[in-house]
Amino acid sequence: SHELTQPPSVSVSPGQTARITCSGDALPKQNTYWYQQKPGQAPVSVMYTDTERPSGIPERFSGSKSGTTATLTISGVQAEDEADYYCQSADSYGIYVFGTGTKVTVL
Amino acid sequence: QVQLVQSGAEVKKSGASVKVSCKASGFTFTTYAIHWVRQAPGQRLEWMGWIYAGTGNTKYSQKFEGRLIVTRDTSTSISYMELSSLTSEDTSVYYCARAIGDGYDYWGQGTLVTVSS
Repeated sequence: SHELTQPPSVSVSPGQTARITCSGDALPKQNTYWYQQKPGQAPVSVMYTDTERPSGIPERFSGSKSGTTATLTISGVQAEDEADYYCQSADSYGIYVFGTGTKVTVL
Repeated sequence: QVQLVQSGAEVKKSGASVKVSCKASGFTFTTYAIHWVRQAPGQRLEWMGWIYAGTGNTKYSQKFEGRLIVTRDTSTSISYMELSSLTSEDTSVYYCARAIGDGYDYWGQGTLVTVSS
């Protein structure tokens, strides 16, 4: 099964840029999705098919992918962005996997 | 508007089974797959399996093969997740989610299942 690896934590000051990476050998062939999860809440989609932002998600969220690494970038981080973030992908057999998760702390 | 509303919290004994429901509204149920994802306390999201509501076809994570059954009732637009032979390691919040492409766009509110010995 394929695996997705994320850094456990990212710390950033308000107004700065946070970059969260997601690494997986199969990512060049798979779409990457990103979810934000705040304590006690269900996940919320913040990025789909690598680079597309759902309606209602602020423009400061952007996505990219190069080779085996996908990146979620939050430009001009705000206090409300403090949360856990998970990447996710699926293989051609219909098997889904989530990344290890990254806790974003706004200093 | 699209909504996925799950059943309430459950407390089960080790060895028992649990069945969680997920009622869909605001979209054509039979044209989507519904997935089940769980999250143990302080842990990452873990994919369990899916059902395509139109045909009833299912796919399960190998980890849960043999003790996970996902079903649906198209007359009520409800998906069910039943997990058997529960142990304390199954204590988690269980989510249903609507699949769009290879990801998810809407999630249920989550159902806490606590397994005690």
